[in-house]
Amino acid sequence: GAGVSQSPSNKVTEKGKDVELRCDPISGHTALYWYRQSLGQGLEFLIYFQGNSAPDKSGLPSDRFSAERTGGSVSTLTIQRTQQEDSAVYLCASSLGRGRPYEQYFGPGTRLTVT
Amino acid sequence: AQRVTQPEKLLSVFKGAPVELKCNYSYSGSPELFWYVQYSRQRLQLLLRHISRESIKGFTADLNKGETSFHLKKPFAQEEDSAMYYCALSENFGNEKLTFGTGTRLTIIP
Repeated sequence: GAGVSQSPSNKVTEKGKDVELRCDPISGHTALYWYRQSLGQGLEFLIYFQGNSAPDKSGLPSDRFSAERTGGSVSTLTIQRTQQEDSAVYLCASSLGRGRPYEQYFGPGTRLTVT
Repeated sequence: AQRVTQPEKLLSVFKGAPVELKCNYSYSGSPELFWYVQYSRQRLQLLLRHISRESIKGFTADLNKGETSFHLKKPFAQEEDSAMYYCALSENFGNEKLTFGTGTRLTIIP
């Protein structure tokens, strides 16, 4: 079956603009995660969804970042008033869900460049 | 808070030589430990997890709670092992978010 998909694959935006990044998880996966991969920073956790709820938003770096998930499926990560330090690869992952620490399946990522 | 440390950013090993990628963690509870791998132009994927106690592509990793380590080992390196390797930790049964190390880029020299 299809894996995790993300769109767009690349996004170049001007400083101060808003961007939306989309993630389509594997069908049936109730858990969804967003991570950010920056040069020199490795992979950092942003937010975790269980169904449509986000019990852990602790990794969101500022209030310019928000995310939502609808229908227990698609998720959108929104960055408002983008800054150059937001430039990174944003990865989405999904897994079977709570209580089962199974592997997370990662999408290909969205490379965001803020100019 | 949990933390994962991979002390080597870069590691070069000759083909056929043994490989060891180091990983140390700090966590007050009983964690789940994983190794993820990212080959060139491919997405991040699970290599192995400590609860499975299995060998994948010749790699093994043993959780040493006394030393809080989860080093990845392979007795004979192959060229196709060249990749970026990430050690990751997950809290056991709860929020399964992964805390990653900064990664080690492994290069196998032919």
